Amino acid sequence: QKEVEQNSGPLSVPEGAIASLNCTYSDRGSQSFFWYRQYSGKSPELIMSIYSNGDKEDGRFTAQLNKASQYVSLLIRDSQPSDSATYLCAVIGSGTYKYIFGTGTRLKVLA
Amino acid sequence: NAGVTQTPKFQVLKTGQSMTLQCAQDMNHNSMYWYRQDPGMGLRLIYYSASEGTTDKGEVPNGYNVSRLNKREFSLRLESAAPSQTSVYFCASSLGQRAVETQYFGPGTRLLVL
Repeated sequence: QKEVEQNSGPLSVPEGAIASLNCTYSDRGSQSFFWYRQYSGKSPELIMSIYSNGDKEDGRFTAQLNKASQYVSLLIRDSQPSDSATYLCAVIGSGTYKYIFGTGTRLKVLA
Repeated sequence: NAGVTQTPKFQVLKTGQSMTLQCAQDMNHNSMYWYRQDPGMGLRLIYYSASEGTTDKGEVPNGYNVSRLNKREFSLRLESAAPSQTSVYFCASSLGQRAVETQYFGPGTRLLVL
C-alpha cells in the first residue's frame, strides 16, 4: 500500500470553476501536510502547508485536513488556465521530518 | 537570492560513466535533500543531509553517493551510471529538521543514461 495516494488524473475543470484535489495517507501519526504545484518541466513550488484539522485559506486556495479520515484536500476557487499543472501532496509521518510525496494529480483548466 | 541552484541542467551519459550533480543553496539552510522523479513514481528521496557533516540514506540510495561539502553545497555522485538512473534529479533544502519545515526545490537536472 502506498503511503500517500493521489488520483493521477487528469482532472479537467472549466475556467472559473472550483477544482478539488484529494490526497490520502496511511500513517495515522502524520503531522504535517503540504501541497506543491509543479508545472511541466519545472520544479515543485509550495502552495500551502497545513498542520491541524480544519480549513486553511490563502487567496483562491483552501487546504482541508481531516486526520480522523486521513485525508487532505486542496480546493482551488475560480480556477484559471494558469492553474493547469500537477499538484503534489507531501506528508511528514510520525517521528520524522522527511517528506513522503504522492504521485501527483494533473489538473487541466479549460478556457 | 538565487535560492537553490543545480548544475548541470541536462546531461547524457553512457552506461558505466560517472558524474557528479552539484547543488548549492544561499538561504543559510541546514538540511539538504536529493530526490529523483520518474513518471508515475512521484518524488523519491535518495539521500539527505540533516546538517553540515552528516548524510543519510533515503528511500532509493543504491547506485549513488553524496557529499555535504559545506553548509551551502550538497553533491550527488553516480559512480557507474545505469539506464535505470535516467530520471530528473531535484535538490531541495530546508531551514532545519522540524516537522513543519518547508522544502525549497532547485530547478532540476535531467539525466539520460544510454
